[in-house]
Amino acid sequence: SQTIHQWPATLVQPVGSPLSLECTVEGTSNPNLYWYRQAAGRGLQLLFYSVGIGQISSEVPQNLSASRPQDRQFILSSKKLLLSDSGFYLCAWRGGSFEAGELFFGEGSRLTVL
Amino acid sequence: GQNIDQPTEMTATEGAIVQINCTYQTSGFNGLFWYQQHAGEAPTFLSYNVLDGLEEKGRFSSFLSRSKGYSYLLLKELQMKDSASYLCAVRDSNYQLIWGAGTKLIIKP
Repeated sequence: SQTIHQWPATLVQPVGSPLSLECTVEGTSNPNLYWYRQAAGRGLQLLFYSVGIGQISSEVPQNLSASRPQDRQFILSSKKLLLSDSGFYLCAWRGGSFEAGELFFGEGSRLTVL
Repeated sequence: GQNIDQPTEMTATEGAIVQINCTYQTSGFNGLFWYQQHAGEAPTFLSYNVLDGLEEKGRFSSFLSRSKGYSYLLLKELQMKDSASYLCAVRDSNYQLIWGAGTKLIIKP
């Protein structure tokens, strides 16, 4: 069966420090992968998505970047965090039926920037 | 612009029935999803509607009316574990998901 994991689960970082969140999927090949951010009282915001190795689409201009060095690995990074980067980050892959293609999410990473 | 509206918070009693509404205005329509999200956890998929009508899955049902831009999630025989946020999301003509802010459901004994 397919599983998705992301880490770390929680981190507290100072403003201006770097960030690296990692996500891996197991049990499937060439998945569509996504990074979302969830802020309190707001809908999920799509940050990046990837349809294959090295293929990254950015949805929102920001100081974050994403990379997909391997088929089942998706990394979210920042060189210098801002206070506004605080939030709950979710990695997801598109699975499910051919028609629905619902998303399956990792456990989430709660980032607090101080 | 694209918009998904759902109530911010609802309260219901254990054992009762609750209906959570979602209205949407999007550029095209390629399906509507409902997800459940417990506090501090990731969302999990509940249901998918692409045609008008009711889809039933055990205690949960989801309804869609494309002409009205409207959906609801119906939860029956409420249990305390149903306390969570319920997220409505619509896939638009570009196959991108547009998410509502979620409805926090509080179940009281």
